[in-house]
Formats: sequence, C-alpha cells, structure tokens
Amino acid sequence: GIQVEQSPPDLILQEGANSTLRCNFSDSVNNLQWFHQNPWGQLINLFYIPSGTKQNGRLSATTVATERYSLLYISSSQTTDSGVYFCAVVRNAGKSTFGDGTTLTVKP
Amino acid sequence: GAGVSQSPRYKVAKRGQDVALRCDPISGHVSLFWYQQALGQGPEFLTYFQNEAQLDKSGLPSDRFFAERPEGSVSTLKIQRTQQEDSAVYLCASSFGSSLEAFFGQGTRLTVV
Repeated sequence: GIQVEQSPPDLILQEGANSTLRCNFSDSVNNLQWFHQNPWGQLINLFYIPSGTKQNGRLSATTVATERYSLLYISSSQTTDSGVYFCAVVRNAGKSTFGDGTTLTVKP
Repeated sequence: GAGVSQSPRYKVAKRGQDVALRCDPISGHVSLFWYQQALGQGPEFLTYFQNEAQLDKSGLPSDRFFAERPEGSVSTLKIQRTQQEDSAVYLCASSFGSSLEAFFGQGTRLTVV
C-alpha cells in the first residue's frame, strides 16, 4: 500500500515563530488532507489540497503532486497551534492513509 | 446535523464483553469510514461504506469486528468478545464522495479492562 511519511516527528517553537511541516507519499493520490488533532482528540480539517496552494489565515499548504509531497506552513505560531498535525492521502476510492503525525509544541 | 456525531464518547468494557459504537454522519454524505487510532499513532482504516453498501472492510482486524449501515445513514461498529488490544479511539468520518474532503467525529475512546 501507499506509504506516508511526515517530518519532523516533533517540533518545539517559541510563540511567534514560523514552521514548515512536510508530508511525503510514495504513489500518486486522488486526495490529500491536512488535519490538526486537538488535545481532546478531535481531527480538525485544515486543508483539502490534492494539488496546488491554499491559504487560510496564518496557515497555508502546498501540494506538488508530481513530486509526491505536501507542505504545511504555520506563521506567527500561537500556543493554541499546539497539537498533532496529520497528513492523510487517498490513493483509490475509499480509505485514507495517515502519516504518523508531527507533534507541535508552541511555548509562550 | 452540523457535524459527524459519535456515541458514546467513552466506553469501558470488561474483557469478553460485546460493544456497539454509533456514528451519525453529516446529512447527505454518502461515504462513511471507520478508523482505529492507537495511542501516539495516526488513524488506521477499518472499513468504508458507500450508502448502505460496505465496499471495503480490509482493515477490520478480525472477525470479531463487524460494521453495518443498513439505511445508508447511521452506522454501527460492533466488537464482539472485546480484548485488551481493542483499546483505542474509534473514529468515524463522512464525505460527499469517496475521494472528497472527509470530516471526522470526536471519536469513541474504548478501554477494555
């Protein structure tokens, strides 16, 4: 099956700093999503981005499908950005394959 | 409803007990998915429905796991004779189509003692 690798596994930032999270995948995909899992376990949709670039406030994402990677940018980080960030891809109709996540800690 | 709703939020089961987990998808979403998330890991696919048809159940770990969606809306994930390794968070997701944006519920945290 398709492999999804996220890096870095852990990231510690000072409030106000910028960061880039990466997601590599091993085959072509129909769909790619970025999620933020909050401390209560809820997966919050950040981006649905099978290709191209999107921005939402301090967050933006870019997927280069031909090179099989996606990047999530967080600017001016806040303590509320802390949590686990997951990348998930869909290769064929149906199931998403998740990476192992990046755990982000933003210190005040 | 406004989002995917799962119940119960927490379930403690004695080993050997049967449990049933419920998922109410977003109204109009034809695709429904179940995932299992162990502590410190990403969600792992269990099964997928398109309306009432179960199109993929390749992720179900054993024949003790059974899922249904009889009317193409609410789904139930049933685990028979629970074992300690079944302890995990069970997540449900729904979408308008199988490769379109999926939305997740808050999950059911199952603890088998």
